[in-house]
Amino acid sequence: GQNIDQPTEMTATEGAIVQINCTYQTSGFNGLFWYQQHAGEAPTFLSYNVLDGLEEKGRFSSFLSRSKGYSYLLLKELQMKDSASYLCAYTKAAGNKLTFGGGTRVLVKP
Amino acid sequence: SAVISQKPSRDICQRGTSLTIQCQVDSQVTMMFWYRQQPGQSLTLIATANQGSEATYESGFVIDKFPISRPNLTFSTLTVSNMSPEDSSIYLCSVTSGEYEQYFGPGTRLTVT
Repeated sequence: GQNIDQPTEMTATEGAIVQINCTYQTSGFNGLFWYQQHAGEAPTFLSYNVLDGLEEKGRFSSFLSRSKGYSYLLLKELQMKDSASYLCAYTKAAGNKLTFGGGTRVLVKP
Repeated sequence: SAVISQKPSRDICQRGTSLTIQCQVDSQVTMMFWYRQQPGQSLTLIATANQGSEATYESGFVIDKFPISRPNLTFSTLTVSNMSPEDSSIYLCSVTSGEYEQYFGPGTRLTVT
């Protein structure tokens, strides 16, 4: 069964902030990825957290707590183009295979 | 970052036939992976393509159904054999570039009728 969970869908207003949570359970953990996927396109890399804490990249930030098996992706100043699916995935070793959550579909409304 | 191309980008195939998907990378990479994304779902790893040895398959995927080749460090193929409508999916290859970043190819959209 899947051991990495994220909400199925979220709706937010343009200009607002949305936080997408991801929880995981695994024996052996190296790091946590976030990808963005627009409909009909391949996933694009957003972030990778190995250490606890917050990493900020422009409007997007990602947080990791290894002890709690928890991560979140924070999207600020939402734009219509941010409407997409956001996938979290963990890896057990750097550069190795990914185990994905089910993805969170974010809909940004005007 | 690595630039990845896949061929074909899409195909419509009849059940019982096979399709080979190619993945080409613009630089030598150690790790290449093949994922499947069924309609409306997330990505599931099929196998890790190892250069110079047999691919490593995930639970639920077997070599007879999804044979993989990895003749060198820039190229891999995935064959979907004896297709059924349940194989209709997007198939994506990915590679590790640098220390940890993983990038995906554009995907191959397969429809089996």
